[in-house]
Amino acid sequence: AQKITQTQPGMFVQEKEAVTLDCTYDTSDPSYGLFWYKQPSSGEMIFLIYQGSYDQQNATEGRYSLNFQKARKSANLVISASQLGDSAMYFCAMRERGYSTLTFGKGTMLLVSP
Amino acid sequence: GAVVSQHPSRVICKSGTSVKIECRSLDFQATTMFWYRQFPKQSLMLMATSNEGSKATYEQGVEKDKFLINHASLTLSTLTVTSAHPEDSSFYICSARWDLGIEKLFFGSGTQLSVL
Repeated sequence: AQKITQTQPGMFVQEKEAVTLDCTYDTSDPSYGLFWYKQPSSGEMIFLIYQGSYDQQNATEGRYSLNFQKARKSANLVISASQLGDSAMYFCAMRERGYSTLTFGKGTMLLVSP
Repeated sequence: GAVVSQHPSRVICKSGTSVKIECRSLDFQATTMFWYRQFPKQSLMLMATSNEGSKATYEQGVEKDKFLINHASLTLSTLTVTSAHPEDSSFYICSARWDLGIEKLFFGSGTQLSVL
């Protein structure tokens, strides 16, 4: 079974609107971390936001917020006030206790139009 | 923020040659670095975990004799693709783990390898 599922291969949004990118995860470990990365066409992976499984509040970083619903095992990324520069591939990832690296989802391509 | 430098960003080589890719953590020490491979429009697939001063741990299906990893210092890991073939053409990206308890991995900018 996939550990990280991103069901939206592509999303379109107009500039200045908000958009939600979906991510669900599967783990039996009570301690884990969830990450979102942005990969523009240049290829670099840019860290956006992190949510720990024990964090009581949803993580926020500027225009990015993570809608963490633990019981549903979902960690959706919300981008407010989209900008043209937000057009990129977005990856959700998880790190479980005892594992030093991340498991990535398949990604969602976001296109922001003027 | 922390910076990971990866070089070269792009390399074209002839089939049968070897290519070395460097991954450096510029402003922090990283006892653990990771090497990923990414095919077009696909996710990152972990190839191996590189630990400073010890042998790398390879994921299932990754040929350790083909993809040589050396992590000789706390700031440098190298991936050498030996006797490269066209099927090795891919985007390779490294990441370094911040060892100060902060849950972050920092990524290099990637290397696009094209084997002719």
